Amino acid sequence: SAVISQKPSRDICQRGTSLTIQCQVDSQVTMMFWYRQQPGQSLTLIATANQGSEATYESGFVIDKFPISRPNLTFSTLTVSNMSPEDSSIYLCGSTLNTEAFFGQGTRLTVV
Amino acid sequence: AQTVTQSQPEMSVQEAETVTLSCTYDTSESDYYLFWYKQPPSRQMILVIRQEAYKQQNATENRFSVNFQKAAKSFSLKISDSQLGDAAMYFCAYRSAGDMRFGAGTRLTVKP
Repeated sequence: SAVISQKPSRDICQRGTSLTIQCQVDSQVTMMFWYRQQPGQSLTLIATANQGSEATYESGFVIDKFPISRPNLTFSTLTVSNMSPEDSSIYLCGSTLNTEAFFGQGTRLTVV
Repeated sequence: AQTVTQSQPEMSVQEAETVTLSCTYDTSESDYYLFWYKQPPSRQMILVIRQEAYKQQNATENRFSVNFQKAAKSFSLKISDSQLGDAAMYFCAYRSAGDMRFGAGTRLTVKP
């Protein structure tokens, strides 16, 4: 198994600004996933990020709004750009290692 | 894209009784994994049980067991001797080589 440290755990941001969420894994992993979760709802996949290549975005999510970095096999960031109140949500990163899947603690973002 | 369907938004069980949560999925892959995760209010995703698609035997973890029907693409979770601490959101998840997706979730309430 592995552990992902995600930060910040929560933030309140002004509309029009950007927030970068970081995930640090204690093992080397090939793939990292970024999800958005509205309270009480499921996880919606935003994008999949492999080290050394561009992230693959799901329908409805674009790189200009959610740029992702994956500089090495243990780290990734997701930026929520030009935020609006509709971006208020929980954002989680996840990964897989061998047969396991594991997740960060989530970032609760509120845009005011 | 692969889809995961949980048709029960909410379920309720009496303490010490047994409850079954349903999950179906759609995939053309032959090699994949299925998971059940529990998410309490703390937001942390907690792995309940995992099933490898190539294994015919149903996975079991203490009070938790699955009924994996590969041909029907069904993956239900049975919780025996339900405890108050089992109350949470439960998500069924599908993982293949480059993908990990979740069902909409089932909110489980345990009545004392």
